[in-house]
Amino acid sequence: AQSVTQLGSHVSVSEGALVLLRCNYSSSVPPYLFWYVQYPNQGLQLLLKYTTGATLVKGINGFEAEFKKSETSFHLTKPSAHMSDAAEYFCAVSDLLTGGGNKLTFGTGTQLKVEL
Amino acid sequence: KAGVTQTPRYLIKTRGQQVTLSCSPISGHRSVSWYQQTPGQGLQFLFEYFSETQRNKGNFPGRFSGRQFSNSRSEMNVSTLELGDSALYLCASSRWGDRATNEKLFFGSGTQLSVL
Repeated sequence: AQSVTQLGSHVSVSEGALVLLRCNYSSSVPPYLFWYVQYPNQGLQLLLKYTTGATLVKGINGFEAEFKKSETSFHLTKPSAHMSDAAEYFCAVSDLLTGGGNKLTFGTGTQLKVEL
Repeated sequence: KAGVTQTPRYLIKTRGQQVTLSCSPISGHRSVSWYQQTPGQGLQFLFEYFSETQRNKGNFPGRFSGRQFSNSRSEMNVSTLELGDSALYLCASSRWGDRATNEKLFFGSGTQLSVL
């Protein structure tokens, strides 16, 4: 069965500092990987996704993530944090063993706090 | 273009009752997925519908059911409510439900269900 582990349920950074949110996955077949963001009282918004091809994926709002098969990781980064980045971030995985469609397995989430 | 619309936004029920939640996907989207979000279990996949057919199902008891109409609108029903069913129920839609492409999955703001 596939799974996702997000290290650190809470991460705090200073405005302008590097954001690094960690995600490790487990899948017996090539995975599809996703990062979503959730603002208070809202649904999830897709930041970026990896399917195949280039391992460095660029997303919205200046975020990017790198798929590293050897490390089974898909960490999310942003060079310079902004106050508006404060939210909860979810890593998710899907693969062909789960069948078609949008069945995603989510990590437990990382709450990002951005301080002045 | 209107986003994914979920109604109602908040719902309070008592144990033993049943509840129906509604989701209107983005126009042109044929895949609708449902997720349950709780502080303890995180985000868990309930089921996905495509062209009125259930395409995938998560590990939830039979009390949780859903359906999709010819206009792609979807409803989910929970019968014999339990306290543990208190959660944010999120609906998501995409055009084809093909996560292997650049297709995006769009989430609604959810229905917050409280079971007393």
